[in-house]
Amino acid sequence: DTEVTQTPKHLVMGMTNKKSLKCEQHMGHRAMYWYKQKAKKPPELMFVYSYEKLSINESVPSRFSPECPNSSLLNLHLHALQPEDSALYLCASSPTGQGREKLFFGSGTQLSVL
Amino acid sequence: SQKIEQNSEALNIQEGKTATLTCNYTNYSPAYLQWYRQDPGRGPVFLLLIRENEKEKRKERLKVTFDTTLKQSLFHITASQPADSATYLCALDRTNSGYSTLTFGKGTMLLVSP
Repeated sequence: DTEVTQTPKHLVMGMTNKKSLKCEQHMGHRAMYWYKQKAKKPPELMFVYSYEKLSINESVPSRFSPECPNSSLLNLHLHALQPEDSALYLCASSPTGQGREKLFFGSGTQLSVL
Repeated sequence: SQKIEQNSEALNIQEGKTATLTCNYTNYSPAYLQWYRQDPGRGPVFLLLIRENEKEKRKERLKVTFDTTLKQSLFHITASQPADSATYLCALDRTNSGYSTLTFGKGTMLLVSP
């Protein structure tokens, strides 16, 4: 199984809602990532988890809260988002997160904030 | 600041021709460089990784070169097909981050016409 699975595929939420994005991989990878991609822009790194510890936070606003319950799962909790947060949210994984590795991406969650 | 530039936003070629995409970088000292393919609404898919001591790498119809003196990578698709139409992204890890912090160029959208 070389897949990274993200749910839901689409999400529409209001600015006062709380929602969560989910990501799962069963490749035995110990690093997982959240990227944000706006239309016609490249993916931008948000968070890196390595061995279930948050290793990198790219100064992401606190309305985005990541969680890594175990080495196979990664969540992104959303609260009080703004319309400008509408984007494709991509999860990825890699064997260790120590660099020199290719990333395996999921298909993303297309988020619209109204 | 570190920059990755992919010179062409879009490239149109005819089926059967060779597509050549360029990636230039500044203020990086990368040990390796990666290329990904991204289709609309999907996550990037890894294509090739080339290390600093490798001048050239091939995979089927794909060829990547890496010139650390020129700070440039070229990505070639030979005998191009309409199915090769997609956005191609080059990516580098930030220097000395200690973790995988893959940063992407803006991408080149390739359109192969029959």
